[in-house]
Formats: sequence, C-alpha cells, structure tokens
Amino acid sequence: GENVGLHLPTLSVQEGDNSIINCAYSNSASDYFIWYKQESGKGPQFIIDIRSNMDKRQGQRVTVLLNKTVKHLSLQIAATQPGDSAVYFCAEMAMYSGGGADGLTFGKGTHLIIQP
Amino acid sequence: DAGITQSPRHKVTETGTPVTLRCHQTENHRYMYWYRQDPGHGLRLIHYSYGVKDTDKGEVSDGYSVSRSKTEDFLLTLESATSSQTSVYFCAISESGRANYGYTFGSGTRLTVV
Repeated sequence: GENVGLHLPTLSVQEGDNSIINCAYSNSASDYFIWYKQESGKGPQFIIDIRSNMDKRQGQRVTVLLNKTVKHLSLQIAATQPGDSAVYFCAEMAMYSGGGADGLTFGKGTHLIIQP
Repeated sequence: DAGITQSPRHKVTETGTPVTLRCHQTENHRYMYWYRQDPGHGLRLIHYSYGVKDTDKGEVSDGYSVSRSKTEDFLLTLESATSSQTSVYFCAISESGRANYGYTFGSGTRLTVV
C-alpha cells in the first residue's frame, strides 16, 4: 500500500487496550491541531481536532490532549480494535496566517499495530 | 474517497518524461491541494488552488506546475520527471482554506520515476 510505515515510529498494542500516540509540534504560534488516520492504500482521514484554547477534547473512543507549555499533542484511542491499525498523523496550523492552505503542517506519523 | 478521485492510481515513468496527475472533485469545493508523501517527511504541500485559475506554491513546488481550468479539476504536472519525484501524491479538497473546515483527501497516486 501507500503507507510509509517502514520508516515510521511504531506502536504495538493488544486488542482491547488503550493506545496513546504522541506528537511534538514545532510552532508555538500554532492554534489549531488535527489528528488524521491513514489506512493502507488510502488517503488521510480526519479523526478529531482541537483549538489552542482547549487542553482536551473527546470524540467517539478518541481523546486529544494538548499541552501548549511543552508543545505536545496526544491522541488516545480507547479499547483499540483491529480496524484502528493505521498510520496516525498530527497536523498543526497557525490561524494568524489567515488560514490559508499553506498554514497546515503535518507530522511524520506513527504506525499503530494492533496485536490480537 | 467520496467526492474526490485521483488518476492514475499507479504510474511508472522514465526520467525526463512529462507526467500529469489528475484530481477530480464533485463537491464544488473552492480549495484544492496537491501533497506528496515520502518516508521521513510526512505530507508536504506542493501547490494549492483557491479558485479557477488561482493557484499558489507550497513548500516543495520546484519541478511541479499546476493548472485549474474548472472547479472540479486540478492537474499536477511534472514537466521533466526526476527520480527524486518518486513519491505518493495526494490531492485534497476543502470548502474553505481554513483547516477547521476539514480537508478531504483522495486515495493517492503512486508515481515511480525510473
């Protein structure tokens, strides 16, 4: 497939366990963050987002935590399922840039592997 | 992915030849983007369009050109392909240029330059 998993950090978890995927971002002015999921042979899919005026946001089985002090973002997936196997990317954006298309910067990704 | 298709899905071409990749959308979104994805680099923006005939460069635009003659199509051209352009190319669309409106990505085109 199109994944670049061979060159990515890998996280292996047991089915049913919780997963935590981490991301360090670079721009202290970034004020909007997104997590994407990319399955083999597919394009990235939006999972959840968070603005810089928040430190936590929850979705269905997923939670994003933002620590602006250390410029760290994490994605927590509860009760991991086989279908969660994918590469996960964080992306950051500085809204002050006018929200233009060149304002979204992607991280390199983490490959999540679910063990049965 | 619903509303956005890329063609071809796979292509092998020789160094020095021109190559055009097509992105087609049925969502009538104003913004369209071309990204490339490489090991160790994640997704990097090549070019984007904010309307018909309105385009701008992204982070890694050298060696690429784009055209958008109608809302639904955004073409990426490699005028003279090089081995460094071997990559997976993704097209994305959005209703607004702001990320919080959501980007929808296509399934990608794997290009190999030999």
